[in-house]
Amino acid sequence: GENVEQHPSTLSVQEGDSAVIKCTYSDSASNYFPWYKQELGKRPQLIIDIRSNVGEKKDQRIAVTLNKTAKHFSLHITETQPEDSAVYFCATGGTSYGKLTFGQGTILTVHP
Amino acid sequence: DGGITQSPKYLFRKEGQNVTLSCEQNLNHDAMYWYRQDPGQGLRLIYYSQIVNDFQKGDIAEGYSVSREKKESFPLTVTSAQKNPTAFYLCASRDRGRVDEQFFGPGTRLTVL
Repeated sequence: GENVEQHPSTLSVQEGDSAVIKCTYSDSASNYFPWYKQELGKRPQLIIDIRSNVGEKKDQRIAVTLNKTAKHFSLHITETQPEDSAVYFCATGGTSYGKLTFGQGTILTVHP
Repeated sequence: DGGITQSPKYLFRKEGQNVTLSCEQNLNHDAMYWYRQDPGQGLRLIYYSQIVNDFQKGDIAEGYSVSREKKESFPLTVTSAQKNPTAFYLCASRDRGRVDEQFFGPGTRLTVL
């Protein structure tokens, strides 16, 4: 089955800095790559996603890049703000039954 | 804020008891999913259902059971066979005919006493 590895597990930045989280996956058939943000005790919420026919997608301060050949994708957050502090999960999907396989999560802390 | 509800928010169970977690959605989504979340780990798939009266095991189905008698509802039963049930349980749904995005409920935190 699919295996998704996410790094780093924790990331601490100063407000205004950029943050980058990386994920690698094993199943070359995966073609959907979402990123979820989860605040403490809350539900995960989709912040951005990308499909395998696209190499990069941006939405204001966040962007995702995908390298299908190398089987890795990354989340980039620019001009970080304290409210960006949360756990971020990558996932892969698009194959059988819409199942998603999640990475282990990255705890992002943005210091004012 | 969703259209997916889960109840209760907190649940306490004694060892040896079965408990059922509720998940309801009014998004008219065909597909529904149950995930388990443990500290420091990602979400792991327990069961999923694509249509009414049909469901499949996920990666960690042992000790759990589900039913899908109605499109709107996908309850999860944590049985006494589940050796370590304390966790945060998340339900999700997806519009099977459109996109891959899954929408999550607010979760149920289960604690075994």
